[in-house]
Formats: sequence, C-alpha cells, structure tokens
Amino acid sequence: NAGVTQTPKFQVLKTGQSMTLQCAQDMNHNSMYWYRQDPGMGLRLIYYSASEGTTDKGEVPNGYNVSRLNKREFSLRLESAAPSQTSVYFCASSAGTAAKNIQYFGAGTRLSVL
Amino acid sequence: GESVGLHLPTLSVQEGDNSIINCAYSNSASDYFIWYKQESGKGPQFIIDIRSNMDKRQGQRVTVLLNKTVKHLSLQIAATQPGDSAVYFCAENGGGGSYIPTFGRGTSLIVHP
Repeated sequence: NAGVTQTPKFQVLKTGQSMTLQCAQDMNHNSMYWYRQDPGMGLRLIYYSASEGTTDKGEVPNGYNVSRLNKREFSLRLESAAPSQTSVYFCASSAGTAAKNIQYFGAGTRLSVL
Repeated sequence: GESVGLHLPTLSVQEGDNSIINCAYSNSASDYFIWYKQESGKGPQFIIDIRSNMDKRQGQRVTVLLNKTVKHLSLQIAATQPGDSAVYFCAENGGGGSYIPTFGRGTSLIVHP
C-alpha cells in the first residue's frame, strides 16, 4: 500500500546544479501536485497537473519545471538551483474533484542548496 | 489561530485535555474545507473535511466546526494524546468549482504527558 512515493528523500546541491525530483502514485488519481514547505510557512503550490497531459503553474512556479510523464508519475525539475530553493518538497495526488478533493502526500524531499 | 511570521502558533496541552485549533480562512466563496495533520518528518495526512452546507462534522475523537459568517474553522480533539502532537493545517478550496486548495500556515500542537 505505497500511496505516494517520492525520491530522493534528501539531496544537497551546489548553486547552479540541476536535479529532478521524482513522484509516483498508485491510487489511479487524476491530479498531482508539487508543493514546497519552508519553516513557519504553510504549503505553497509550485505546479499541478489536473490530468495526464496537462500542467499548470501554482503560486510559486519560478525556477521550476514539471513533467506529467503518465498518470502515475509527476516530476519536478530544478534547472539551475539557487539557495532560495532550499526547502522541503512534497508531492501529492488526489481524485481532483471540487466536491471532495482530499490530497494524499508523499514523505517529502529535503533539499539544501549551498 | 494562524498568523503571519516564521514562528508557528503553538498550542500546549496536557494529555487527556481537549484541544481546539483555530483557522481563519480568507475566501468567502470557499465551499469545502479540510484539516490535515503533519507529524515531524512526514507529509501531511488527512484528518477530516467539511462542506459549506454543514456547520459541524464529527469523526473519531475529532470535530470540525465551521462558521461561515466570520470565516472561521476549528478543529477540536477530544482527550488529546501524545501521538496527537503535530502541526495541523486547514485548507480551503476557493469555491467556484476550483479544487485547488489553499493551505493555512499551520498550528503546532504539543501534548505533554
């Protein structure tokens, strides 16, 4: 009963390096999301994908790109990492209906950019 | 309740007490609300939800109250246990057919044995 799986769990990058955060869900959900969480802050939406083949910007998309590879997988890419991107990143998935949109979260990726 | 700033609002209670965590939401059009619990080092986890056509909903040891007049949501936890120690977030969906939630900043609940 895996739910939402994120890899890696931890990562340290140097400024300017690139990396891709991976996310996969096994609940046959239509919608997937990437959030970042900074100390003392709530979750801020980076990008989301309402369904396979679509992606949209959230509140804080600058510096990130995403790919909805298939229904199961949604990746987040940092092309040129900056210290301001040091954060904990969460992937989530949901059925994606306005009536009842419970999100299921992964365990997070803790990223430090030096 | 929730506030601006780097430090989360914190609620400290004794084991066995009842806890009340408050949330002020911003969008009067929001028609669906969710409470999540986030334990240290983990992702948020669904606790309970409520639609705007209700003012109260009960789960196991938890109750959510919704006051649309003042745009206020609360989560009541009965007989709080050390395992309830976590950060609690409320989320609203914004209404108008939107299903993208907006999260509050969270409240840290500390339960003392």
